[in-house]
Amino acid sequence: ETGVTQSPTHLIKTRGQQVTLRCSSQSGHNTVSWYQQALGQGPQFIFQYYREEENGRGNFPPRFSGLQFPNYSSELNVNALELDDSALYLCASSLRRSTTLGYGYTFGSGTRLTVV
Amino acid sequence: QQQVKQSPQSLIVQKGGISIINCAYENTAFDYFPWYQQFPGKGPALLIAIRPDVSEKKEGRFTISFNKSAKQFSLHIMDSQPGDSATYFCAASGNNAGNMLTFGGGTRLMVKP
Repeated sequence: ETGVTQSPTHLIKTRGQQVTLRCSSQSGHNTVSWYQQALGQGPQFIFQYYREEENGRGNFPPRFSGLQFPNYSSELNVNALELDDSALYLCASSLRRSTTLGYGYTFGSGTRLTVV
Repeated sequence: QQQVKQSPQSLIVQKGGISIINCAYENTAFDYFPWYQQFPGKGPALLIAIRPDVSEKKEGRFTISFNKSAKQFSLHIMDSQPGDSATYFCAASGNNAGNMLTFGGGTRLMVKP
């Protein structure tokens, strides 16, 4: 059984560019969530996908968008990058849409994005 | 809006001692309270979790204490070891609270040998 895999591990982009981050969920998991973790802070929820549809969104602007594919893998796209977008982007998968049923998220190791 | 407040920001404990990290929440719709452990270069890993219908949960050296009326919960690490040195995050979620994890700001724990 494989865990959550994210690619790339590190990325440097210029302000104004666009970036796509990728995530392969743990085998059998059908829910994928994306979190942004700024340096020295706790992760912040960006959005969640369940069965290829957005299932909730945090306080992030529309230039943050996502996709989930039939195999439950996912992409996070960020347009018009800003310096404040520099952070660790974490993908987490789970078995069920609701974490309150006891199915904890499995997090990937993240993609470290630096915007210069 | 920070709905989960965590303290202290950093903690130094001697090997064999007890590490205590505290969290307070505001949203009464939260009904699931996990703790995550994060090592440098890695994503958070679920350590232990509790629901508000119990006041304490213990798994090995890790214990969560939960006080529903005060809207507070804490993580106790007994017999702390150097391998426990990591950043710890409390979190909360609930079906009526957007269904996502809301994290605290994190506590950087260092256990000295």
